[in-house]
Amino acid sequence: QKEVEQDPGPLSVPEGAIVSLNCTYSNSAFQYFMWYRQYSRKGPELLMYTYSSGNKEDGRFTAQVDKSSKYISLFIRDSQPSDSATYLCAMSDRGSTLGRLYFGRGTQLTVWP
Amino acid sequence: GAVVSQHPSWVICKSGTSVKIECRSLDFQATTMFWYRQFPKQSLMLMATSNEGSKATYEQGVEKDKFLINHASLTLSTLTVTSAHPEDSSFYICSATARRAAGWTDEQYFGPGTRLTVT
Repeated sequence: QKEVEQDPGPLSVPEGAIVSLNCTYSNSAFQYFMWYRQYSRKGPELLMYTYSSGNKEDGRFTAQVDKSSKYISLFIRDSQPSDSATYLCAMSDRGSTLGRLYFGRGTQLTVWP
Repeated sequence: GAVVSQHPSWVICKSGTSVKIECRSLDFQATTMFWYRQFPKQSLMLMATSNEGSKATYEQGVEKDKFLINHASLTLSTLTVTSAHPEDSSFYICSATARRAAGWTDEQYFGPGTRLTVT
């Protein structure tokens, strides 16, 4: 079993839709949870990070972590065509983003106008 | 701020030759650099972690004699794929962490990646 599981999609939604992206994990030592956005042939860029369980909101993006279920989510409200990209979840067991990161496979999202 | 560059952005080489990929932190000093490999529709897989002035730490299953990493300065790390074969064709991405200082966030900054094709 992989440490981080993520449905690769693809996911296709109309502009304005609410998008839900999810990852599950098996290692209970993970403390730091991140979402990255990766455009085609580009490196990932950090969207959001959360520590331990809870919610975090940043504009149209909301990240949720449920450590009891080993489940994390990223919600995108009022999705835009510019949100079309691959979204990767990542986790760390060192309590920071500086250490080794474990990535999911990424979910490919297309938002059509 | 926090820009990481990679060179080249893509490279095609013949089987058996060696290829060097550079990773530079342009506006900060990187205490640690990471090298990842990403196959199509797959996750980023960590290959090795390198700290300036010391030997790289390789992940299990990554051949250190094949993937040579040099972190000669706080702004430059290089990955050399020696005797490349078609199965080494992949997207190689580096990331760097900044020295903790005012204005720098606690995260890894990723480069744009290098696409290697071995024919």
